[in-house]
Amino acid sequence: QKEVEQNSGPLSVPEGAIASLNCTYSDRGSQSFFWYRQYSGKSPELIMFIYSNGDKEDGRFTAQLNKASQYVSLLIRDSQPSDSATYLCAVSPLYGNKLVFGAGTILRVKS
Amino acid sequence: EAQVTQNPRYLITVTGKKLTVTCSQNMNHEYMSWYRQDPGLGLRQIYYSMNVEVTDKGDVPEGYKVSRKEKRNFPLILESPSPNQTSLYFCASSPDLALSYNEQFFGPGTRLTVL
Repeated sequence: QKEVEQNSGPLSVPEGAIASLNCTYSDRGSQSFFWYRQYSGKSPELIMFIYSNGDKEDGRFTAQLNKASQYVSLLIRDSQPSDSATYLCAVSPLYGNKLVFGAGTILRVKS
Repeated sequence: EAQVTQNPRYLITVTGKKLTVTCSQNMNHEYMSWYRQDPGLGLRQIYYSMNVEVTDKGDVPEGYKVSRKEKRNFPLILESPSPNQTSLYFCASSPDLALSYNEQFFGPGTRLTVL
């Protein structure tokens, strides 16, 4: 079992729709959870992080965390073609000074 | 401008020819790390450094070396590159040891091809 799992996609949504990206993790003691966006040929950039159960909103983005289910998601409201990218879920485990990344989900927003 | 820089950005080399990829950050960050990114595998950590002269192995350290003689620099050394080290490499840095709550800032990446 991979430590951090994501559906590779591609996930295709029409412009203006809500895109829902999901991530599960295996280390129950994980503390912090990050969503990075990576455009093709570019480096990852942080969108949001969350460390408490529940929802965290920032503009069009909402991160949701459920530690009991070991599940974290990212919702993108009013999706735009510029949101088309690979979204990487990253988890900070209880032990170890590192982030563990999922393989990423490709999102395509069609205008 | 606060940034992480890597050089070279692109490199094609041959098996066995030693190479170094440099990484430098100007944000006075304590923590630095190297990742490789391969299709379907995501970002995997090679080595990391918590501070000057303190380095440790990540998940895929075989075939790589690092050093941290200065706070701002964290070069990645491939003593004898092999084709399975063909990949996209990213250097990243983070403000302090409390990594859990700190963003990692990534360099632009180095695309390495080993023939």
